[in-house]
Amino acid sequence: EPEVTQTPSHQVTQMGQEVILRCVPISNHLYFYWYRQILGQKVEFLVSFYNNEISEKSEIFDDQFSVERPDGSNFTLKIRSTKLEDSAMYFCASSERGAQYNEQFFGPGTRLTVL
Amino acid sequence: ELKVEQNPLFLSMQEGKNYTIYCNYSTTSDRLYWYRQDPGKSLESLFVLLSNGAVKQEGRLMASLDTKARLSTLHITAAVHDLSATYFCAVRPTNNDMRFGAGTRLTVKP
Repeated sequence: EPEVTQTPSHQVTQMGQEVILRCVPISNHLYFYWYRQILGQKVEFLVSFYNNEISEKSEIFDDQFSVERPDGSNFTLKIRSTKLEDSAMYFCASSERGAQYNEQFFGPGTRLTVL
Repeated sequence: ELKVEQNPLFLSMQEGKNYTIYCNYSTTSDRLYWYRQDPGKSLESLFVLLSNGAVKQEGRLMASLDTKARLSTLHITAAVHDLSATYFCAVRPTNNDMRFGAGTRLTVKP
């Protein structure tokens, strides 16, 4: 069964460093998403991406964040200068369509720890 | 401000008992999602409810949606230990955005 994959599973970085989190969405899906979940808290929407551009973003997704689809398979989230409060689980998701029947499939997540 | 409120946030129940988790939301949305998350794991889609009055059942879980009341319920019948997890509801205020509730952490005890 096709699934969303994410690498790395765990990333440890120093405050102020740049990190890139990688995702490979399900191959025939066209809509891609990033979410984050601070430990023990709810899942928060960051950004959605379609047709090589951002469709929507939340207030969390500020200038420190960027997304890219560098090739036909990968979807990346970059944090330019990490802060302690960026420590969280980051989930990538994809869906076949962005319309009414949209069901999003989530990847296993990347745990980001900022020291 | 969009709010998605779940209650209870913590639920401890005995095996074999029934219980209902509630999800209220403050914006118009004709779609509601229920997800399950096991500790340290990703989110598993349980139900997608697309219209008012929709009811879906899978095993011991049944979800319903009342768009007029902006309320969804997740009913657990004859709980078993394997159902222990955190359950999230989520709504879609726009086509490309999904907002989650805080989650209900369910523990089923023998």
